[in-house]
Amino acid sequence: SAVISQKPSRDICQRGTSLTIQCQVDSQVTMMFWYRQQPGQSLTLIATANQGSEATYESGFVIDKFPISRPNLTFSTLTVSNMSPEDSSIYLCSARTGMESPLHFGNGTRLTVT
Amino acid sequence: GNSVTQMEGPVTLSEEAFLTINCTYTATGYPSLFWYVQYPGEGLQLLLKATKADDKGSNKGFEATYRKETTSFHLEKGSVQVSDSAVYFCALSDRTGRRALTFGSGTRLQVQP
Repeated sequence: SAVISQKPSRDICQRGTSLTIQCQVDSQVTMMFWYRQQPGQSLTLIATANQGSEATYESGFVIDKFPISRPNLTFSTLTVSNMSPEDSSIYLCSARTGMESPLHFGNGTRLTVT
Repeated sequence: GNSVTQMEGPVTLSEEAFLTINCTYTATGYPSLFWYVQYPGEGLQLLLKATKADDKGSNKGFEATYRKETTSFHLEKGSVQVSDSAVYFCALSDRTGRRALTFGSGTRLQVQP
């Protein structure tokens, strides 16, 4: 199974600033995804991070707000841009090693915007 | 589109009680079904899965059976422990394309000694 490391684990940011979250997997993976978990709520898929091309965003999420990079098969970043208090959430990176393998998650980045 | 509906929590049980957390789903085709668990202060962990109708997933004393006729995947455990206190998420993955997960709202379980 894949071990996923995210950093930072938490941050407190001022509104209007941006934060980049890094996700590193200990093995090559086929699919990487970014999720958001708002306080007390379930996980919502933000986008699929595509290696070497633009990410695929879900309805309600746009590239200008959540730019994503995936330069290789083990690493991805998510940037939360021009933050507002409504962006306060846990952001989770996830990945699978093959189409039939389960999805593994990092421990998440707890973001608070003041 | 795909969706997952879970019973609302919190569910509060005494140690050694029987647990059921209901989960039903809506999906096109034949999705794979999962239960994930999130212990306090930790990340999401896969608890069990089932990939086709009538499959039973099991792990750590938890079980869930993929019921196509009722589109359900209820989580059960015969005797819960305090250490089972966590949030449990039911999820599905379709079999096409990216196979991203669609999650239910989560059910918080509190087990009292």
